[in-house]
Amino acid sequence: QPVLTQPPSSSASPGESARLTCTLPSDINVDYYSIYWYQQKPGSPPRYLLYYHSDSDKGQGSGVPSRFSASKDASANTGILLISGLQSEDEADYYCMIWPSNAWVFGGGTKLTVL
Amino acid sequence: QLQLQESGPGLVKPSETLSLTCTVSGDSISTYSYYWGWIRQPPGQGLEWVATIYYTGSTYYNPSLRSRATISVDTSKNQFSLDLYSVTAADTAVYYCARHSVAGDYWGQGTVVTVSS
Repeated sequence: QPVLTQPPSSSASPGESARLTCTLPSDINVDYYSIYWYQQKPGSPPRYLLYYHSDSDKGQGSGVPSRFSASKDASANTGILLISGLQSEDEADYYCMIWPSNAWVFGGGTKLTVL
Repeated sequence: QLQLQESGPGLVKPSETLSLTCTVSGDSISTYSYYWGWIRQPPGQGLEWVATIYYTGSTYYNPSLRSRATISVDTSKNQFSLDLYSVTAADTAVYYCARHSVAGDYWGQGTVVTVSS
């Protein structure tokens, strides 16, 4: 049972934006952690996209387009991945991760379909 | 450019030991603040952390696997390894080695491990 909760699926049309969420359990405060995001296409390893801790502490993976961005909703204890200007190539599984106590802790993943 | 390459047997018999090695090139495994580890992905499922090691030898394990896993590092070879004991079909997965830093991760391409007699 993944510790981080992600919706199993999401869909959007080309050119639109997709907002993927990653909710932490109530005993883990999203304010204390960086949220890391990965993209995985069939048959390939996960690709690191970016991390977000705050507006002043965030980072983009090498070669990752700026239309991938992230934020947090502290009121919902949730990390958010925003993909703007969706392209067909963005269709993939997306995983969130936090790094407590030197461990990778993942969400269950969201399958994004670009209609 | 950093590269991580997993190696190991593709097929392991039930109850035997699975041994994997990750060879790191393009960076030193002894670099301060980098953590190295193993993550696996069963067929059609999500990602599961297995174990983490720091170059000093400090180790961290998924509690669900703690009693069956050993992660080790060989700084002279710039490699780290995983032994998983008493494997069952549930250990069938793609095994990835990875490096974590506060600024993000690098992952290997993964190696498929099947547990079957």
